[in-house]
Amino acid sequence: GAVVSQHPSRVICKSGTSVKIECRSLDFQATTMFWYRQFPKQSLMLMATSNEGSKATYEQGVEKDKFLINHASLTLSTLTVTSAHPEDSSFYICSARVGDRGLLTLHFGNGTRLTVT
Amino acid sequence: GENVEQHPSTLSVQEGDSAVIKCTYSDSASNYFPWYKQELGKGPQLIIDIRSNVGEKKDQRIAVTLNKTAKHFSLHITETQPEDSAVYFCAPKLTISGFGAGTRLTVKP
Repeated sequence: GAVVSQHPSRVICKSGTSVKIECRSLDFQATTMFWYRQFPKQSLMLMATSNEGSKATYEQGVEKDKFLINHASLTLSTLTVTSAHPEDSSFYICSARVGDRGLLTLHFGNGTRLTVT
Repeated sequence: GENVEQHPSTLSVQEGDSAVIKCTYSDSASNYFPWYKQELGKGPQLIIDIRSNVGEKKDQRIAVTLNKTAKHFSLHITETQPEDSAVYFCAPKLTISGFGAGTRLTVKP
C-alpha cells in the first residue's frame, strides 16, 4: 500500500516553455503532499508543501510564481515549472504523508528528471 | 531549525561486511527517526524507522539504533550485498525538510 506515482519520469523541454509534473497517491488520500528538488549528488531540498483545497506553502527562496502548485483533489498534486530555463534542470520529487495510528511516514514518487535546453 | 548531520558521506565496503551510518540531530523534540534508501534515478524509499520510545529496531539485515540522550541514531546493515549500494538519508524531523546530506554506500562484490 501507500504508493505514490509521479509522471512523467523524464521530460525535455525548450527554454521558455512550461512543464507540468503530476504526483498521485494511488491507494490512499493525501491531504498534504510535498515537492522537492534534488541536484546531482546532493540531498533533497524541500520546495513547497501542497495542501488539498488551499494554497501551497513555499520554502524560503522558492519562487511561487515560477513553481505553480495545484492540489485540487485528495489524490493529485501538480507542479508546473513556468517559463523554464536551463538552470531549472533538476530532479523533482514528490512525497505524501501517510498516517498510521497517529504516526506519520513519508512515501515518495520516483521523481521527474527535467532537462531544459 | 533542525540541524542534521550524517556521517560518513561516502562508505565503501566489501560484500558481506557490515555498514554503519550515523545521523546526529539537534531538535530534542524529534520523536520519529526514519532512514531512506535512494537508488540512482529513483525517489527515496523508507527502509526502516524507529519511534522515540524504542532504542532499537531490526528488520532482517537492517537495524536502527537510537540514542536520544546523545541525539543520534544509526543505520546498521549486516551481510551487505551489491544491491545495497545506494544513497541513504536520515530525516529526523517530520516536517520533512530535515534531511541529512546523504551517505553513498558502495558494496563491492
